[in-house]
Amino acid sequence: LAKTTQPISMDSYEGQEVNITCSHNNIATNDYITWYQQFPSQGPRFIIQGYKTKVTNEVASLFIPADRKSSTLSLPRVSLSDTAVYYCLVGGHATDSWGKLQFGAGTQVVVTP
Amino acid sequence: GAGVSQSPRYKVTKRGQDVALRCDPISGHVSLYWYRQALGQGPEFLTYFNYEAQQDKSGLPNDRFSAERPEGSISTLTIQRTEQRDSAMYRCASSLGGTGVFNEQFFGPGTRLTVL
Repeated sequence: LAKTTQPISMDSYEGQEVNITCSHNNIATNDYITWYQQFPSQGPRFIIQGYKTKVTNEVASLFIPADRKSSTLSLPRVSLSDTAVYYCLVGGHATDSWGKLQFGAGTQVVVTP
Repeated sequence: GAGVSQSPRYKVTKRGQDVALRCDPISGHVSLYWYRQALGQGPEFLTYFNYEAQQDKSGLPNDRFSAERPEGSISTLTIQRTEQRDSAMYRCASSLGGTGVFNEQFFGPGTRLTVL
């Protein structure tokens, strides 16, 4: 599975947009990019997944450039409740890799008033 | 509907004792995963099942760790002769399963294991 690199922490104020960039230089052709969110004392929760270009849902947007060697998770107008750790994961649809989500240390996002 | 449940939520044991951690996945979910999470780190994959078959156990640290899912539903992670380094949060997740389809994993609340 491709290794990912993301910032250790990011601080933001309420109402601002937060962008977290993840590097995955060794991403394979069939790899997808997935982001999970983890609140303190809870298990991780799926946020968004994409393969290329842009994906948007009710929670976030995911921007993936043409070379797919990086991706950016965008959280619009964050609130205090968005304070969490955000994990970038890269993996494929192959049966032998789906079970093995490989989490790094993630990015701790702290939102203050 | 009910999410993934784990029991016990907290387990304190003495070094050398065996412990069994239970995971009850979301009803109908084919795949079940076990992870271990140290403080300040992301979850670390241990093993996973499709139905009752253990598909990958490459993440189990050593032979003191084992897991089973005999009827394709509830799973038990067993740690024999516990050591202090086994202290961590053990998380279970489940997903719908299926080849070639993205399967979002739903995580349980975890079992906090402390080995004294």
